[in-house]
Amino acid sequence: KNEVEQSPQNLTAQEGEFITINCSYSVGISALHWLQQHPGGGIVSLFMLSSGKKKHGRLIATINIQEKHSSLHITASHPRDSAVYICAGLHMEYGNKLVFGAGTILRVKS
Amino acid sequence: GAVVSQHPSWVICKSGTSVKIECRSLDFQATTMFWYRQFPKQSLMLMATSNEGSKATYEQGVEKDKFLINHASLTLSTLTVTSAHPEDSSFYICSAWTSGSYEQYFGPGTRLTVT
Repeated sequence: KNEVEQSPQNLTAQEGEFITINCSYSVGISALHWLQQHPGGGIVSLFMLSSGKKKHGRLIATINIQEKHSSLHITASHPRDSAVYICAGLHMEYGNKLVFGAGTILRVKS
Repeated sequence: GAVVSQHPSWVICKSGTSVKIECRSLDFQATTMFWYRQFPKQSLMLMATSNEGSKATYEQGVEKDKFLINHASLTLSTLTVTSAHPEDSSFYICSAWTSGSYEQYFGPGTRLTVT
């Protein structure tokens, strides 16, 4: 069982739709990154969460420590949001290494 | 926010030559830098962890003599791919972390093509 599991693996949405990507993680992970990667591009860190909720523009990330679950929401989605979204857990026992989810491929159609 | 740069952003080299990739933290001091490799349509694979002034710690299966890492200062780490072969062609990404923070800051990546 992976220590960080993401769903869905693939997601297609129509422009304007509200999008949710989920991430579950195991014991030992103390914080979670949400990362974005456009095709052929580098990694952009969207959020780092250890508790609560963060918002940046149309993006919202939440984390529930008790349930070991985090979600990334995109409101009013746009084709430029099409990218791979990756959640990555910071594992303190592994020397602060990141444990990566498999990624969610998001395609937003106009 | 914190910025990490990588140089070069892309490089093409001939088989058998060596290539150096630089990772710099521009506005903060990085206690630790991580080097990742990413194959097409796959997630990032951690290659090694580099702490300033000490030897890098390599992940299982990563050849330390082939992928030389030097973390000479708190703002610069280098990855040298020695005697490169076509199978070393990949996207190499670094990230930087500073003590007291949970956050890792990613560089934009370097695309290496070995012909």
